Amino acid sequence: KAGVTQTPRYLIKTRGQQVTLSCSPISGHRSVSWYQQTPGQGLQFLFEYFSETQRNKGNFPGRFSGRQFSNSRSEMNVSTLELGDSALYLCASSETGGGTEAFFGQGTRLTVV
Amino acid sequence: AQSVTQPDIHITVSEGASLELRCNYSYGATPYLFWYVQSPGQGLQLLLKYFSGDTLVQGIKGFEAEFKRSQSSFNLRKPSVHWSDAAEYFCAVGYSGGYQKVTFGTGTKLQVIP
Repeated sequence: KAGVTQTPRYLIKTRGQQVTLSCSPISGHRSVSWYQQTPGQGLQFLFEYFSETQRNKGNFPGRFSGRQFSNSRSEMNVSTLELGDSALYLCASSETGGGTEAFFGQGTRLTVV
Repeated sequence: AQSVTQPDIHITVSEGASLELRCNYSYGATPYLFWYVQSPGQGLQLLLKYFSGDTLVQGIKGFEAEFKRSQSSFNLRKPSVHWSDAAEYFCAVGYSGGYQKVTFGTGTKLQVIP
């Protein structure tokens, strides 16, 4: 079984731009969660999608949004990028969520300049 | 709200020595508890998990963890550390209410000296 795939692996953007990150979960997994990892804040939960619906959301501004497609693939979008958005963005998939085992992708390293 | 505390930011051990990484959690019900490991520039790999049952959980790479409800702890142990264990370790608590929201501790960076 293929693991969780995140694309791209690395991204450099300019302040004010927007960016879209992609996550393909493990086949059969319907829950996809997104996390932001920074040295100062650690791992912060962004949101979780299950069957194309956002079930839970962390404390991030509205510039951070996401969606999930019928094949469970998910995208997250960050608009009007700020320097502080530079981080490793991790995607995790699980069968149904609800505390079940989550498998992480390798992440997308976003640098905002 | 659920929370996780890893009191040790950085730990250094000699290769072959035993290891214990501390984790305390706060959660109103029976928690789902996890330990993940992250190598530099990589995603997180699950070492072990506790959902219910036996409080001593065995994981991959020779790691084990013990759930102690009375102390709200879920410490990770390994009897003999290998140089390849150098990485960052995260304890996490999951919500059992039907959706996925895992709260992570701030991590413990493990350095292994020869």
